[in-house]
Amino acid sequence: GAVVSQHPSWVICKSGTSVKIECRSLDFQATTMFWYRQFPKQSLMLMATSNEGSKATYEQGVEKDKFLINHASLTLSTLTVTSAHPEDSSFYICSARGGGVGNEQFFGPGTRLTVL
Amino acid sequence: AQSVSQHNHHVILSEAASLELGCNYSYGGTVNLFWYVQYPGQHLQLLLKYFSGDPLVKGIKGFEAEFIKSKFSFNLRKPSVQWSDTAEYFCAVNAGNNNDMRFGAGTRLTVKP
Repeated sequence: GAVVSQHPSWVICKSGTSVKIECRSLDFQATTMFWYRQFPKQSLMLMATSNEGSKATYEQGVEKDKFLINHASLTLSTLTVTSAHPEDSSFYICSARGGGVGNEQFFGPGTRLTVL
Repeated sequence: AQSVSQHNHHVILSEAASLELGCNYSYGGTVNLFWYVQYPGQHLQLLLKYFSGDPLVKGIKGFEAEFIKSKFSFNLRKPSVQWSDTAEYFCAVNAGNNNDMRFGAGTRLTVKP
């Protein structure tokens, strides 16, 4: 199946700093990428949807100035958590969808962010 | 807006027991339905999916799910669970040609050896 990678797999940062998370589709071109957030023992919450070359569409309640998403190529999307605070600590998961049939999304392994 | 409900938060079974996890969604149009599994410490993996055709879908590892349109349901089943099936199971719905996918809250399955 299609492979999606995320880097880093985990990151610890100080409050007030910014953190960038990369999401890559390794063997297919992802026309659309999605960013989710998963709190401990809870489900995935969609944060935003990004299409290559255009601005991301954010879900209600998600601050676009805090969670900057860039989808500059068909294989790479980045999520930057700006001025991170302890409440931003979470598991961030990306998924990617190609242009083929089926609307299937392929998920990355996730990035655990801990803000001290 | 579409939503997904998983009624069982935590299910505990003994090995060889049969499993059925409920999933209901609220959306009146065409939907694509998915079940994902998340083993401890691992990322989401697709178990099975339904787009159209036969409403009884067979997936990996002996799982199957049945789409019942009149009940807006897509329940996951397995006739005989194994200890290795211990994981978190998520139902997800993607409405027609919309981009986004909505996930249920998840059901934690614990299988006792």
